[in-house]
Amino acid sequence: QVQLVQSGTEVKKPGASVKVSCKASGYTFTSYDINWVRQAPGQGLEWMGWMNPKTGDTGHAQKFQGRVTLTRDTSTSTAYLELSSLRSEDTAMYYCARDNSGSGGGWFAPWGQGTLVTVSS
Amino acid sequence: QAVLTQPSSLSASPGASASLTCTLRSGINVGAYNIYWYQQKPGSPPQFLLRYKSASDKRQGSGVPSRFSGSEDASANAGILLISGLQSEDEADYYCMIWHSSAWVFGGGTKLTVL
Repeated sequence: QVQLVQSGTEVKKPGASVKVSCKASGYTFTSYDINWVRQAPGQGLEWMGWMNPKTGDTGHAQKFQGRVTLTRDTSTSTAYLELSSLRSEDTAMYYCARDNSGSGGGWFAPWGQGTLVTVSS
Repeated sequence: QAVLTQPSSLSASPGASASLTCTLRSGINVGAYNIYWYQQKPGSPPQFLLRYKSASDKRQGSGVPSRFSGSEDASANAGILLISGLQSEDEADYYCMIWHSSAWVFGGGTKLTVL
């Protein structure tokens, strides 16, 4: 079945970087964009960015300009989110989600199970 | 002013209908946007419910019951998620989303309580 499996919990210190992985299975990885969404504890959803796994093209929310890097490894069908210069406000659950329309749509399905990133000194 | 505004909470009784609103900021016309709706239950990632652009341009998520439907209120510049025949399992957080200024934007979410 179509599935996205994310890497495990991370604990980082302020100023560090974190790299979260999202491994796709059950479909052709390069046929669907991957989006990244985060959710701080008790808060709402916040979109971070998207990546086209076929071309490597990316886009991201202005808020994360200069701090976010989206990459992929097509040989392992894995997408990556790297966030640098971490601060306490980056503590959140990070989700990857497939754009089920292929590209440019907002039909995100399925979602990964989430990766909890805690930033604490 | 936020791009999308949702009431923080809503309560309704089992069997009743609930209308969840997603109001677009002034100057952003609801008729020009696809509005996506997501449901999130505690401890789980969000799940896509439906997309609504117009009565003739909409899409239901796979396996999503027909008692979840979308509409819009042009006079209020709002998208609406209507849930009919409320069930206890509908108790969840609901988020709307649009593509605006080259970014996906979520509303703040509505916590629906069924009691």
